[in-house]
Amino acid sequence: GQQVMQIPQYQHVQEGEDFTTYCNSSTTLSNIQWYKQRPGGHPVFLIQLVKSGEVKKQKRLTFQFGEAKKNSSLHITATQTTDVGTYFCATGKLTFGTGTRLQVTL
Amino acid sequence: DTGVSQNPRHKITKRGQNVTFRCDPISEHNRLYWYRQTLGQGPEFLTYFQNEAQLEKSRLLSDRFSAERPKGSFSTLEIQRTEQGDSAMYLCASSPIGHQLSGELFFGEGSRLTVL
Repeated sequence: GQQVMQIPQYQHVQEGEDFTTYCNSSTTLSNIQWYKQRPGGHPVFLIQLVKSGEVKKQKRLTFQFGEAKKNSSLHITATQTTDVGTYFCATGKLTFGTGTRLQVTL
Repeated sequence: DTGVSQNPRHKITKRGQNVTFRCDPISEHNRLYWYRQTLGQGPEFLTYFQNEAQLEKSRLLSDRFSAERPKGSFSTLEIQRTEQGDSAMYLCASSPIGHQLSGELFFGEGSRLTVL
């Protein structure tokens, strides 16, 4: 079956530093979604990417879909404490990645 | 409140008992999904409905699990003869209809199950 791995599993940064999480699939994807889950909360949709090589930005967040549509990344510029949480990618087949937990300290 | 509603929010039960969770999706959403999430893991897909039709069910899902959406609105997830390994957060999500399988998922707050 489809497997979706994310790296790193965990990252601890100081406020103001950048952060990137990577999502890798064993199969070609029709699209990919990204979600954020705050501690104790439920996943909240961030964005969906559909096209090969697509790049989308939301304020300090940059999302990229690989040319081969088998990987994706989420980059956060100048992290803030409000960015704390776990970031998941999810495929069109409803499979969620393993997640990257981000901790931000002052 | 027009979000996805789940209840109960917490359920503690003894091993071997049956439990049922209810999900009320966003009213105009045709699709409804059930996921299970354990600590430190991503949501694991269980099953999905389009209107009242159950279109996909995870092969990993035990026969003890059953879900219904009889009128295409709210859904129930029942777990029979619960086991300690069933302890998890059960998440419901809904999505507006689209031509592709996926679309933005709106999650509820979840129902946390603890099996003693």
